[in-house]
Amino acid sequence: DAGVIQSPRHEVTEMGQEVTLRCKPISGHNSLFWYRQTMMRGLELLIYFNNNVPIDDSGMPEDRFSAKMPNASFSTLKIQPSEPRDSAVYFCASSLILRTGGFGSGYEQYFGPGTRLTVT
Amino acid sequence: GESVGLHLPTLSVQEGDNSIINCAYSNSASDYFIWYKQESGKGPQFIIDIRSNMDKRQGQRVTVLLNKTVKHLSLQIAATQPGDSAVYFCAERRSGYSTLTFGKGTMLLVSP
Repeated sequence: DAGVIQSPRHEVTEMGQEVTLRCKPISGHNSLFWYRQTMMRGLELLIYFNNNVPIDDSGMPEDRFSAKMPNASFSTLKIQPSEPRDSAVYFCASSLILRTGGFGSGYEQYFGPGTRLTVT
Repeated sequence: GESVGLHLPTLSVQEGDNSIINCAYSNSASDYFIWYKQESGKGPQFIIDIRSNMDKRQGQRVTVLLNKTVKHLSLQIAATQPGDSAVYFCAERRSGYSTLTFGKGTMLLVSP
């Protein structure tokens, strides 16, 4: 089975440029999460979608960051304009949550391989 | 200026030893917990989970123990192998939420 797919795996860009990261969740999963991982802050949740709808974007650092999920099989995270402090590994994860917020199952998340972003 | 990185606690063991990785969680309302393994250059990989109505759960070579009284979670790895070398994260789900909060991680180094 194909896991979560992310592209590109590595991105090097100059400050001020637009960066778009892509994610294909596991087929059949209804929830998608974008994370950022740095040595300073560890693994931070940026935004969470359920059934393609953004539910919690409180972790998005600022207006330069935006995320979309136009359909169940694709999501993007865009940074415009990018800054050196955005350099990090960005992960996408998906899960099948059967009972949102309830004591159900499906809260385990399956992560993609990540995109290592370097902004110079 | 000099940056201060995230200093991960490190556990060093010999191949064949049993390893115990500990995690203290913060929220007494958390009702679901997961352990993840992250190898260098890869995404976190699900290992095992446990619900708050359980004290212990076993998988292949791994056991998770939950002590709700002191809000403590542990991951035991039996007969540790060099391939177990990685950073291990615990994560908790707060009751009523669908997201996970991750701990800072512990690096496990296994020497042959």
